Amino acid sequence: SAVISQKPSRDICQRGTSLTIQCQVDSQVTMMFWYRQQPGQSLTLIATANQGSEATYESGFVIDKFPISRPNLTFSTLTVSNMSPEDSSIYLCSVDPGQGGNEQFFGPGTRLTVL
Amino acid sequence: QKEVEQNSGPLSVPEGAIASLNCTYSDRGSQSFFWYRQYSGKSPELIMFIYSNGDKEDGRFTAQLNKASQYVSLLIRDSQPSDSATYLCAVQGAQKLVFGQGTRLTINP
Repeated sequence: SAVISQKPSRDICQRGTSLTIQCQVDSQVTMMFWYRQQPGQSLTLIATANQGSEATYESGFVIDKFPISRPNLTFSTLTVSNMSPEDSSIYLCSVDPGQGGNEQFFGPGTRLTVL
Repeated sequence: QKEVEQNSGPLSVPEGAIASLNCTYSDRGSQSFFWYRQYSGKSPELIMFIYSNGDKEDGRFTAQLNKASQYVSLLIRDSQPSDSATYLCAVQGAQKLVFGQGTRLTINP
């Protein structure tokens, strides 16, 4: 399976600021996704990162709050904008390597704390 | 009704016994089903996937799928303390995965 890295692994931020999270894959993949996992909760899909076009956002998530870039088939960024304590969460990128079974593999995650 | 439902547990099983984890889903058109294991502080790890009705075995793990009942299960034989984790059921629908709440499993030595 693909090797996925995320930066930063964790951060503590002040409310009102923004943080950009990077996701790097060691091979080209068609599909990349961004998830949020709030404390003690399951995973919620934020958006599908589309290469060369705007991301596809899930209900409840908007581009102004979570802008996403996907400049190529191995890299994506998620920005959490104008943060509030409610944004404290783990943010995970995942990839579908396109092996035909729709399996997704997750990066190590970014643990964000907003004060 | 939630799209994917799991018993949140915690489920406590003695070492060496069989752990049984269950999941139901609402979208009858779902075709792909996944089990992820998540250790505390770590990201989810894919351990099993199943597409066809019946059983699929991989080592100590067996996934079971019954599309008519919209039911997926994961059996862990000869449970080990290292199996203690949260197990997430995920169902493929409309080009995205939908995750259940997860079941926290504890294996007692």
